[in-house]
Amino acid sequence: DIQMTQSPSSLSASVGDRVTITCRASQSISSYLNWYQQKPGKAPKLLIYAASSLQSGVPSRFSGSGSGTDFTLTISSLQPEDFATYYCQQSYSTPAFGPGTKVDIK
Amino acid sequence: EVQLVESGGGLVKPGGSLRLSCAASGFTFSSYSMNWVRQAPGKGLEWVSSISSSSSYIYYADSVKGRFTISRDNAKNSLYLQMNSLRAEDTAVYYCARDLGYSGSPFDYWGQGTLVTVSS
Repeated sequence: DIQMTQSPSSLSASVGDRVTITCRASQSISSYLNWYQQKPGKAPKLLIYAASSLQSGVPSRFSGSGSGTDFTLTISSLQPEDFATYYCQQSYSTPAFGPGTKVDIK
Repeated sequence: EVQLVESGGGLVKPGGSLRLSCAASGFTFSSYSMNWVRQAPGKGLEWVSSISSSSSYIYYADSVKGRFTISRDNAKNSLYLQMNSLRAEDTAVYYCARDLGYSGSPFDYWGQGTLVTVSS
């Protein structure tokens, strides 16, 4: 099975900061990598699919990059509504999620 | 508007059974693969099971294989998860999620989840 890791596990940032979250797969997954945002008590929301494609309705401050085993999610200018937990997920084989990165207010 | 509404969660004793349902609306249910994903309290997301649009392809996580059964009724726009031999570690919020059914497709819509608690 393909294992997913994320770093950092948590971070503190201020409104307006540029935030980068890293996701790594245990083997190459080409570009079959998706990113989700989850707020407390809510269902996850798809942000980025196929490593770099922005889901409809998602603000353009979110972007994704990478291929193979290393991927990043970038929030160009953090907004108050972006404080949440972010998960990567590989869809190359049996779906698997990363452990999550919690973004909270500094 | 795409809507997925889970139901059927609750408190069950270890070794017991429960059947979850997911009612779909706002899209052509029979054209999409569907999934169950769970989240234990305070923990991350874990994929549980997938079923293709016509039920031809079904997959399970190793952690539930042999105990859980996924099914769907396209005439009723409904997805199900029959959970048997439940364990404490199955305690979680269970979400149903849609995917487009092509290789590598993401989960683009999720329900609000239903809580399953396994405890004596």
